[in-house]
Amino acid sequence: EVQVVQSGAEVKKPGESLRISCQSSGYDFSDYWIAWVRQMPGKGLEWMGMVYPGDSDTRYNPSFQGQVTLSVDKSVNSAYLQWSSLKASDTAIYYCARQSFGSDSFDYWGQGTLVTVSS
Amino acid sequence: IQLTQSPSFLSSSVGDRVTITCRASQDTNNYLAWYQQKPGKAPKLLIYVASTLQGGVPSRFSGSGSGTEFTLTISSLQPEDFATYFCQQLIAYPYTFGQGTTLEIK
Repeated sequence: EVQVVQSGAEVKKPGESLRISCQSSGYDFSDYWIAWVRQMPGKGLEWMGMVYPGDSDTRYNPSFQGQVTLSVDKSVNSAYLQWSSLKASDTAIYYCARQSFGSDSFDYWGQGTLVTVSS
Repeated sequence: IQLTQSPSFLSSSVGDRVTITCRASQDTNNYLAWYQQKPGKAPKLLIYVASTLQGGVPSRFSGSGSGTEFTLTISSLQPEDFATYFCQQLIAYPYTFGQGTTLEIK
Protein backbone atom coordinates (compact mmCIF):
# COMPACT_ATOMS: atom_id res chain seq x y z
CA GLU A 1 0.00 0.00 0.00
CA VAL A 2 1.37 3.39 -0.99
CA GLN A 3 1.66 5.82 1.92
CA VAL A 4 2.96 9.38 2.06
CA VAL A 5 3.46 10.80 5.53
CA GLN A 6 4.56 14.34 6.33
CA SER A 7 6.22 15.78 9.40
CA GLY A 8 4.21 17.62 12.01
CA ALA A 9 3.10 21.24 12.36
CA GLU A 10 5.72 23.90 12.95
CA VAL A 11 5.62 27.32 14.59
CA LYS A 12 8.55 29.55 13.72
CA LYS A 13 9.63 33.18 13.94
CA PRO A 14 10.45 35.34 10.93
CA GLY A 15 14.05 34.86 9.84
CA GLU A 16 14.31 31.32 11.19
CA SER A 17 15.15 28.33 9.03
CA LEU A 18 13.00 25.23 8.62
CA ARG A 19 12.99 21.86 6.88
CA ILE A 20 9.86 19.76 6.62
CA SER A 21 9.77 16.18 5.44
CA CYS A 22 7.69 13.78 3.38
CA GLN A 23 8.30 10.05 3.78
CA SER A 24 6.99 7.54 1.26
CA SER A 25 6.48 3.80 1.45
CA GLY A 26 4.87 1.02 -0.54
CA TYR A 27 6.58 1.70 -3.85
CA ASP A 28 10.04 2.27 -5.34
CA PHE A 29 10.78 5.77 -4.06
CA SER A 30 13.48 6.40 -6.66
CA ASP A 31 11.13 6.08 -9.62
CA TYR A 32 8.53 8.80 -8.98
CA TRP A 33 8.74 12.57 -8.81
CA ILE A 34 7.63 14.14 -5.53
CA ALA A 35 5.84 17.48 -5.84
CA TRP A 36 5.25 20.17 -3.22
CA VAL A 37 2.06 22.23 -3.15
CA ARG A 38 1.30 25.29 -1.03
CA GLN A 39 -2.12 26.24 0.27
CA MET A 40 -2.27 29.58 2.04
CA PRO A 41 -5.08 30.07 4.60
CA GLY A 42 -8.44 29.94 2.86
CA LYS A 43 -6.86 29.93 -0.59
CA GLY A 44 -6.24 27.60 -3.53
CA LEU A 45 -3.42 25.27 -4.49
CA GLU A 46 -0.03 26.39 -5.84
CA TRP A 47 2.57 24.05 -7.30
CA MET A 48 5.95 24.95 -5.81
CA GLY A 49 8.18 22.47 -7.55
CA MET A 50 9.21 18.85 -7.61
CA VAL A 51 12.17 16.60 -7.07
CA TYR A 52 13.12 13.26 -8.64
CA PRO A 53 14.59 10.96 -6.01
CA GLY A 54 16.44 8.86 -8.59
CA ASP A 55 18.97 11.58 -9.33
CA SER A 56 17.81 14.55 -7.21
CA ASP A 57 16.79 16.47 -10.33
CA THR A 58 14.50 19.39 -9.53
CA ARG A 59 11.93 21.60 -11.22
CA TYR A 60 10.87 24.85 -9.58
CA ASN A 61 7.96 27.17 -10.11
CA PRO A 62 9.60 30.54 -10.89
CA SER A 63 7.44 32.06 -8.15
CA PHE A 64 9.25 29.92 -5.58
CA GLN A 65 12.72 29.63 -7.17
CA GLY A 66 15.32 30.93 -4.76
CA GLN A 67 12.83 31.04 -1.89
CA VAL A 68 12.87 27.32 -1.06
CA THR A 69 15.07 24.29 -1.63
CA LEU A 70 13.85 20.80 -2.52
CA SER A 71 15.94 17.76 -1.70
CA VAL A 72 15.72 14.03 -1.07
CA ASP A 73 17.37 11.32 0.98
CA LYS A 74 16.85 7.98 -0.74
CA SER A 75 18.22 6.08 2.24
CA VAL A 76 15.11 6.98 4.25
CA ASN A 77 12.66 7.39 1.34
CA SER A 78 12.16 11.04 2.21
CA ALA A 79 11.79 14.33 0.39
CA TYR A 80 12.34 17.70 2.01
CA LEU A 81 11.20 21.28 1.61
CA GLN A 82 13.53 23.82 3.18
CA TRP A 83 13.56 27.56 3.94
CA SER A 84 16.66 29.46 5.05
CA SER A 85 14.81 32.54 6.27
CA LEU A 86 11.08 32.33 6.85
CA LYS A 87 8.65 35.21 6.38
CA ALA A 88 5.17 35.67 7.79
CA SER A 89 3.85 35.20 4.27
CA ASP A 90 5.19 31.61 4.33
CA THR A 91 2.36 30.71 6.72
CA ALA A 92 0.46 27.97 4.93
CA ILE A 93 -0.23 24.26 4.69
CA TYR A 94 2.36 22.46 2.58
CA TYR A 95 1.49 19.20 0.86
CA CYS A 96 3.76 16.72 -0.82
CA ALA A 97 2.40 14.41 -3.47
CA ARG A 98 3.63 11.61 -5.71
CA GLN A 99 3.44 12.24 -9.44
CA SER A 100 2.11 9.24 -11.34
CA PHE A 101 3.60 7.81 -14.51
CA GLY A 102 1.96 8.64 -17.79
CA SER A 103 -0.77 11.02 -16.70
CA ASP A 104 1.61 13.07 -14.55
CA SER A 105 -1.23 13.72 -12.10
CA PHE A 106 -0.66 13.66 -8.33
CA ASP A 107 -2.04 10.32 -7.21
CA TYR A 108 -0.94 10.05 -3.58
CA TRP A 109 -0.79 12.98 -1.19
CA GLY A 110 0.65 13.53 2.24
CA GLN A 111 -1.63 14.79 4.99
CA GLY A 112 -0.11 18.28 4.89
CA THR A 113 2.20 20.21 7.21
CA LEU A 114 0.97 23.47 8.70
CA VAL A 115 3.74 26.03 8.96
CA THR A 116 2.99 29.11 11.04
CA VAL A 117 5.44 32.01 10.96
CA SER A 118 4.75 34.66 13.56
CA SER A 119 6.76 36.94 15.78
CA ILE B 1 -1.04 28.32 -18.48
CA GLN B 2 -3.95 29.95 -16.64
CA LEU B 3 -6.94 27.84 -15.62
CA THR B 4 -10.32 29.45 -14.93
CA GLN B 5 -13.01 27.43 -13.22
CA SER B 6 -16.67 28.26 -13.27
CA PRO B 7 -18.62 28.68 -11.21
CA SER B 8 -16.53 29.53 -8.14
CA PHE B 9 -19.41 28.61 -5.85
CA LEU B 10 -22.26 26.23 -6.45
CA SER B 11 -25.22 25.52 -4.19
CA SER B 12 -26.97 22.24 -4.97
CA SER B 13 -29.06 19.51 -3.41
CA VAL B 14 -28.49 15.81 -2.86
CA GLY B 15 -29.44 14.00 -6.05
CA ASP B 16 -28.70 16.94 -8.35
CA ARG B 17 -26.52 16.67 -11.44
CA VAL B 18 -23.76 19.27 -11.38
CA THR B 19 -21.15 20.37 -13.89
CA ILE B 20 -17.99 22.35 -13.24
CA THR B 21 -16.04 23.89 -16.11
CA CYS B 22 -12.30 24.49 -16.39
CA ARG B 23 -10.97 26.66 -19.21
CA ALA B 24 -7.26 26.79 -20.04
CA SER B 25 -5.44 29.71 -21.64
CA GLN B 26 -3.58 27.26 -23.91
CA ASP B 27 -4.07 23.75 -25.23
CA THR B 28 -3.26 21.24 -22.46
CA ASN B 29 -3.18 18.18 -24.74
CA ASN B 30 -5.66 16.67 -22.24
CA TYR B 31 -3.07 16.67 -19.43
CA LEU B 32 -5.81 17.87 -17.12
CA ALA B 33 -6.66 16.44 -13.72
CA TRP B 34 -9.47 17.04 -11.25
CA TYR B 35 -9.12 16.90 -7.47
CA GLN B 36 -11.58 16.98 -4.58
CA GLN B 37 -10.63 18.63 -1.30
CA LYS B 38 -12.62 18.47 1.91
CA PRO B 39 -11.97 20.88 4.81
CA GLY B 40 -8.82 20.01 6.71
CA LYS B 41 -7.87 17.24 4.28
CA ALA B 42 -5.41 16.81 1.44
CA PRO B 43 -6.68 16.94 -2.13
CA LYS B 44 -7.76 13.63 -3.65
CA LEU B 45 -7.28 12.74 -7.30
CA LEU B 46 -10.60 12.07 -9.07
CA ILE B 47 -9.91 12.25 -12.80
CA TYR B 48 -6.72 12.27 -14.88
CA VAL B 49 -5.96 12.92 -18.54
CA ALA B 50 -9.27 14.73 -18.69
CA SER B 51 -11.59 11.74 -18.56
CA THR B 52 -10.03 8.72 -16.84
CA LEU B 53 -11.48 7.89 -13.45
CA GLN B 54 -8.93 7.25 -10.72
CA GLY B 55 -9.27 3.84 -9.08
CA GLY B 56 -11.74 3.76 -6.22
CA VAL B 57 -13.56 6.93 -7.29
CA PRO B 58 -17.34 6.44 -7.64
CA SER B 59 -18.67 6.23 -11.18
CA ARG B 60 -21.01 9.19 -10.60
CA PHE B 61 -17.92 11.34 -11.27
CA SER B 62 -16.93 11.84 -14.89
CA GLY B 63 -14.66 14.13 -16.84
CA SER B 64 -14.83 15.29 -20.43
CA GLY B 65 -13.42 17.86 -22.79
CA SER B 66 -10.32 18.47 -24.83
CA GLY B 67 -7.92 21.21 -25.82
CA THR B 68 -8.78 24.16 -23.63
CA GLU B 69 -12.24 23.36 -22.23
CA PHE B 70 -12.99 20.63 -19.73
CA THR B 71 -15.84 19.63 -17.47
CA LEU B 72 -16.26 17.62 -14.30
CA THR B 73 -19.73 16.18 -13.86
CA ILE B 74 -21.27 14.58 -10.79
CA SER B 75 -24.34 12.71 -11.98
CA SER B 76 -26.21 12.49 -8.67
CA LEU B 77 -24.80 14.41 -5.74
CA GLN B 78 -24.25 12.51 -2.53
CA PRO B 79 -23.77 14.11 0.91
CA GLU B 80 -20.05 13.26 0.87
CA ASP B 81 -19.53 15.16 -2.41
CA PHE B 82 -19.90 18.60 -0.85
CA ALA B 83 -16.33 19.85 -1.08
CA THR B 84 -14.04 22.06 -3.15
CA TYR B 85 -12.94 20.90 -6.58
CA PHE B 86 -9.78 21.96 -8.43
CA CYS B 87 -8.58 21.35 -11.96
CA GLN B 88 -4.85 21.18 -12.74
CA GLN B 89 -2.87 21.29 -15.98
CA LEU B 90 0.22 19.12 -16.29
CA ILE B 91 1.35 19.87 -19.84
CA ALA B 92 3.69 22.75 -19.03
CA TYR B 93 5.76 24.08 -16.16
CA PRO B 94 4.82 25.68 -13.92
CA TYR B 95 1.94 23.34 -13.30
CA THR B 96 -1.12 25.38 -12.38
CA PHE B 97 -4.43 24.83 -10.65
CA GLY B 98 -7.78 26.45 -11.19
CA GLN B 99 -8.99 28.72 -8.40
CA GLY B 100 -11.42 26.10 -7.14
CA THR B 101 -15.16 25.51 -7.10
CA THR B 102 -16.84 25.14 -3.72
CA LEU B 103 -19.91 22.93 -3.80
CA GLU B 104 -22.29 23.68 -0.95
CA ILE B 105 -25.48 22.08 0.24
CA LYS B 106 -28.59 24.04 -0.71
